[in-house]
Amino acid sequence: AQTVTQSQPEMSVQEAETVTLSCTYDTSESDYYLFWYKQPPSRQMILVIRQEAYKQQNATENRFSVNFQKAAKSFSLKISDSQLGDAAMYFCAYRDTTGTYKYIFGTGTRLKVLA
Amino acid sequence: DGGITQSPKYLFRKEGQNVTLSCEQNLNHDAMYWYRQDPGQGLRLIYYSQIVNDFQKGDIAEGYSVSREKKESFPLTVTSAQKNPTAFYLCATSLGREPLIDTQYFGPGTRLTVL
Repeated sequence: AQTVTQSQPEMSVQEAETVTLSCTYDTSESDYYLFWYKQPPSRQMILVIRQEAYKQQNATENRFSVNFQKAAKSFSLKISDSQLGDAAMYFCAYRDTTGTYKYIFGTGTRLKVLA
Repeated sequence: DGGITQSPKYLFRKEGQNVTLSCEQNLNHDAMYWYRQDPGQGLRLIYYSQIVNDFQKGDIAEGYSVSREKKESFPLTVTSAQKNPTAFYLCATSLGREPLIDTQYFGPGTRLTVL
């Protein structure tokens, strides 16, 4: 069975600095999707970024980028120029392409942004 | 406006009572999901549905039931058989059709408290 692991329960970053959140996953599939979601104090889950496994190029969305290492089964999220509004829980998620639309989520990393 | 609505935002239940959480969407998405979120445990899948009149159990379906009579609606009933129902419940939808990346979008959630 597929699993997603986020080994950092909590991280802190100084405003305007860069922080990297880690995510590893386990799967025997060759094609799948990976996602990072943000959950601010409002608890609304917001999609941050997504990556298709067959694409070698790392996805980028403004200040957010990923480092996708398929062989290592690693999918880290880098937040550049951190802002106070980035403070939230961040969840890594996996979905394969076998036809069942199940997603598997990690346990989350709480990011604190220090002014 | 397109989106996912969940109601109520807060729900209180006495022990032994069944309660139903509402999830409605007008995104024309085929797939719908219910997750339970507890502190430190991330999101756990309760039930999901890929098409109308069909649904599958997730990882923690015991004590819950669902129906999918309309594409737009996927209500979740928390029965008295659920031993510890106090949690935050999230409904999500996704397009549910390949080959597009099937991204999940989330509703605002319902906080259920058992008194």
